Amino acid sequence: GIQVEQSPPDLILQEGANSTLRCNFSDSVNNLQWFHQNPWGQLINLFYIPSGTKQNGRLSATTVATERYSLLYISSSQTTDSGVYFCAVANQAGTALIFGKGTTLSVSS
Amino acid sequence: SAVISQKPSRDICQRGTSLTIQCQVDSQVTMMFWYRQQPGQSLTLIATANQGSEATYESGFVIDKFPISRPNLTFSTLTVSNMSPEDSSIYLCSVDQTGDNEQFFGPGTRLTVL
Repeated sequence: GIQVEQSPPDLILQEGANSTLRCNFSDSVNNLQWFHQNPWGQLINLFYIPSGTKQNGRLSATTVATERYSLLYISSSQTTDSGVYFCAVANQAGTALIFGKGTTLSVSS
Repeated sequence: SAVISQKPSRDICQRGTSLTIQCQVDSQVTMMFWYRQQPGQSLTLIATANQGSEATYESGFVIDKFPISRPNLTFSTLTVSNMSPEDSSIYLCSVDQTGDNEQFFGPGTRLTVL
């Protein structure tokens, strides 16, 4: 099945710093989503981005489907950005999501 | 996006018992999914639940352990049967509301088995 790899596994930042999270996937996809899991376990939808570039406030994402990777950019990080960021994909044959292992982000003030 | 609720939000159960988790959506959806997140781990798909048909289980998950019901287009239940401490996890349901494969998740049910 399709493999999803996220890097780095852990990231520690000072408030105000910028960061880039990466997601590599092993096959063609018809869905790619980025989620933020908050400390209470809730999964927050950040981006639905099977291809192209999107921006939402301080966050933006780019997926290069032909090269099988996606990037999540966080600018001017805040302590509330802390948590786990997951990349998830669905391959061409399916609709269920396959998750990467996540990047744990800690932002300190 | 869909408003998705789950009950209970958390529970502590004794080994050998069963717990049924409910997932309610505020609009009709064709596909619903159940995921498990073990402590410190990522999410793993348990099964896909479509209304009017049997759930489709992923490798490693069986109907006897995780029976699923999908009686209508807005509701589903997942039962965790004969629980052991290894079943302690967050269980989440998700839906594809618009049919374009973007999924939205419920708040999860945090289960602890003693």
